[in-house]
Amino acid sequence: DGGITQSPKYLFRKEGQNVTLSCEQNLNHDAMYWYRQDPGQGLRLIYYSQIVNDFQKGDIAEGYSVSREKKESFPLTVTSAQKNPTAFYLCASSANRDRTEAFFGQGTRLTVV
Amino acid sequence: AQKITQTQPGMFVQEKEAVTLDCTYDTSDPSYGLFWYKQPSSGEMIFLIYQGSYDQQNATEGRYSLNFQKARKSANLVISASQLGDSAMYFCAMSSQGGSEKLVFGKGMKLTVNP
Repeated sequence: DGGITQSPKYLFRKEGQNVTLSCEQNLNHDAMYWYRQDPGQGLRLIYYSQIVNDFQKGDIAEGYSVSREKKESFPLTVTSAQKNPTAFYLCASSANRDRTEAFFGQGTRLTVV
Repeated sequence: AQKITQTQPGMFVQEKEAVTLDCTYDTSDPSYGLFWYKQPSSGEMIFLIYQGSYDQQNATEGRYSLNFQKARKSANLVISASQLGDSAMYFCAMSSQGGSEKLVFGKGMKLTVNP
């Protein structure tokens, strides 16, 4: 079945460590996105990519990095520079055309221990 | 800057009744898209319905309809004949230029359907 796969579902990070969240899609979508969700809040855009080898900062990019070497994959690295990384992270993809919705993965819950 | 406001923190509805979830938005873009997503306790975001800013008619998708009032900048979601499985968080979102690029989300509201 086509869809978006995020892994792992739960991730624990020690202070000062970098961690990478995986996002893979087989929908043949050009655009991919990373959002962060805090308790009781909506989603906020971290980074997005509309085409391979190109990506743009979203509203809260500080402390995060991404790469887009393949159309299917858009990994997110949470660096030690991110001071409050505990959150729920959602990856999404969409076709690059109007009137089209974004499809989301199941999310990764990151906790700093 | 675009902004979505969802002021209802939570609502309760009886099974089989209709319910309206409120959403107001603010933007200076002439062309934009409005989306509603459902987030069950499992966490994934499920697309429900889309309305384009130039659409003349309100969008409908099965039991979901969007009451679009452009002059009032509101995009309320109407769920007819509520089901127990409708219990979830609901998020209103918007984008410029009508596509999914750079969605801006509201804070969401929790709907509970009672038997």
